[in-house]
Amino acid sequence: QKEVEQDPGPLSVPEGAIVSLNCTYSNSAFQYFMWYRQYSRKGPELLMYTYSSGNKEDGRFTAQVDKSSKYISLFIRDSQPSDSATYLCAMSDSFGNEKLTFGTGTRLTIIP
Amino acid sequence: SAVISQKPSRDICQRGTSLTIQCQVDSQVTMMFWYRQQPGQSLTLIATANQGSEATYESGFVIDKFPISRPNLTFSTLTVSNMSPEDSSIYLCSVGPGGNSPLHFGNGTRLTVT
Repeated sequence: QKEVEQDPGPLSVPEGAIVSLNCTYSNSAFQYFMWYRQYSRKGPELLMYTYSSGNKEDGRFTAQVDKSSKYISLFIRDSQPSDSATYLCAMSDSFGNEKLTFGTGTRLTIIP
Repeated sequence: SAVISQKPSRDICQRGTSLTIQCQVDSQVTMMFWYRQQPGQSLTLIATANQGSEATYESGFVIDKFPISRPNLTFSTLTVSNMSPEDSSIYLCSVGPGGNSPLHFGNGTRLTVT
């Protein structure tokens, strides 16, 4: 079993829809959770960074962490075609630990 | 955040040859990291490169296959040696701003080995 599981998709939704992207994990030591967005032929770009359980909002993006369920989510409101990309979840067990454990990524397409 | 430039952006190489990938950062950073992104797989850390010391390799990666240099605080190279088709992947350089923030990545080097 992988430490981090992420549905690879692909996921296609119409423009304006709410998108929910999810990861589950098995290591209860993980405390720092990140979401990266990766456009084709580009490197991963950090979107959201959260610590422990709870929600964090940034514009149209909301990151949610449920440590009791070992489950994290990224919600995208009012999705735009420019949101079409692969979304990677990542996590680590300590602050400043650059050895991140990544999910495989979910490929998202927003249909105009 | 730091601007990370990688060269080459892509290459097609023959089996048995070696390729050196360069990573340049626009500011001084203590640690630089090399990741591999294989098709359909998650990003995997290859090694951590500190200036002035030997790189630290993760399990499954060895110096003979992936030698790394870190001559100063803004530059690193990763060499993929004696390549086989299984080495076809995207290789990514990354840095953590101040060493206590999440990683930022370069655009990667897309390597195809024939």
